Parts: sequence; C-alpha cells; structure tokens
Amino acid sequence: QSVLTQPPSVAAAPGQKVTISCSGTSSTIGNNYVSWYQQLPGAAPKLLIYDNNERPSGIPDRFSGSKSGTSATLGITGLQTGDEADYYCATWDSSLTAYVFGSGTQVTVL
Amino acid sequence: QITLKESGPTLVKPTQTLTLTCTFSGFSLSTSGVGVGWIRQPPGKALEWLALVYWNDDKRYSPSLKSRLTISKGTSKNHVVLTMTNMDPVDTGTYFCAHRDLAAADDAFDIWGQGTMITVSS
Repeated sequence: QSVLTQPPSVAAAPGQKVTISCSGTSSTIGNNYVSWYQQLPGAAPKLLIYDNNERPSGIPDRFSGSKSGTSATLGITGLQTGDEADYYCATWDSSLTAYVFGSGTQVTVL
Repeated sequence: QITLKESGPTLVKPTQTLTLTCTFSGFSLSTSGVGVGWIRQPPGKALEWLALVYWNDDKRYSPSLKSRLTISKGTSKNHVVLTMTNMDPVDTGTYFCAHRDLAAADDAFDIWGQGTMITVSS
C-alpha cells in the first residue's frame, strides 16, 4: 500500500491533455520535492520531472509538473501513442526517513 | 554519459541471501552530492525504494526492510553492492539501481539501470 495515492488509470485521445494527481501528506509532498517517472512497457523508469516542476534535458515541454500543499500533478499535453506507459510520483517521507513512490497510473491513448 | 547495470543471480531459494552488484560508469561515487540507490518492482506492481548510499558513505534504508538490507560501496570504485537476507517468494521482482545527484536533481533518481529480474523459488 503506497504512501502516495494516484489514480489507477487515465485515458484520452491523441492530441488531448491528461493530468495525473498524486496525493500525500505534510511529511511527504507537503515538505519535500516531488519527482515523476515514466515507465514504458518492459523498460526501466525514466525521470520526467524533478523538484516539483523541473524537466531534465531532453524531456519535452509537453510534460509539466506542479505542486500545491500536499498534492502534486503531472500534466501531459499533445498526447501521443508513445506516451502510453505507467507514471509514478515520488518524494521523500520525512517521518519514515524513506523515499516513497506512488501507486502508479497507467496512461492509455484511445 | 552515465550508465548503470545490475548483476546477480536470477534465481534464489527461500531463506537464502541475495547479493546484487550495480556497476556504473560516467560518474564518481566520491563526488560530493552523488548517491546510488536500489529500487525494486514485483511483477505488475509499483516501484519500491530499498536503499541508498551517498558519496560520504551515508546510508539510508527502507524502514520496512532495514533489518534485511545492507548497502555498501564496492571494493572497486565503480560498484555498489546490495545484500538482502532471508529471501522469500514475495521478494520476486525486478531490481534496479539508479544514480542520484543532490546538486543536479535533489531528491530524484535521474539515471536508472535496465534492471535485473530475481525469482525466489525452491
């Protein structure tokens, strides 16, 4: 059972926008940076967003991150078939002194 | 270019100890702010962080697995070793190692290895 809660799945048509929520607490998202990872089928996770809203080099600006209070959101615009993957939020848990991942969200392009 | 690769047995028996090695290149674990972590993923399930070692030998462990885990910098400069004792079938999954740099991406793992599948079965 993950400390961070994400919806199991979201879906949209090509070209549309999806948002994925990540709900935590004051000891997780509320006081720490949030990261987002993309995991394509059969592949290792890939960092998409760090420090709540920063993109590593090479990550297109179709991907964006935001944080408010104890929740964070990943947005994907201009959805492409290649975006079909599992997406995980993650952050540090100050009370557990542990790095925690969300439950994961599967994105489907209709 | 930073790369990491996990290695170890593909099959372990229940109660045995698992030893995994992460071999990396493109960075030094002696550089301030740098760390290497281990994360696992049971088949069809979410990612789970296991352990992390920093350049200064500061080590962090998942509270739920702390009693079974040991992470260390290898004898070679470009290795990190993770041992997990008393393996159980529920420990079956893919084990990843990943790079972390506090100066670049704070609390994130920015580069990951391809992962290695570990099956626990008698």
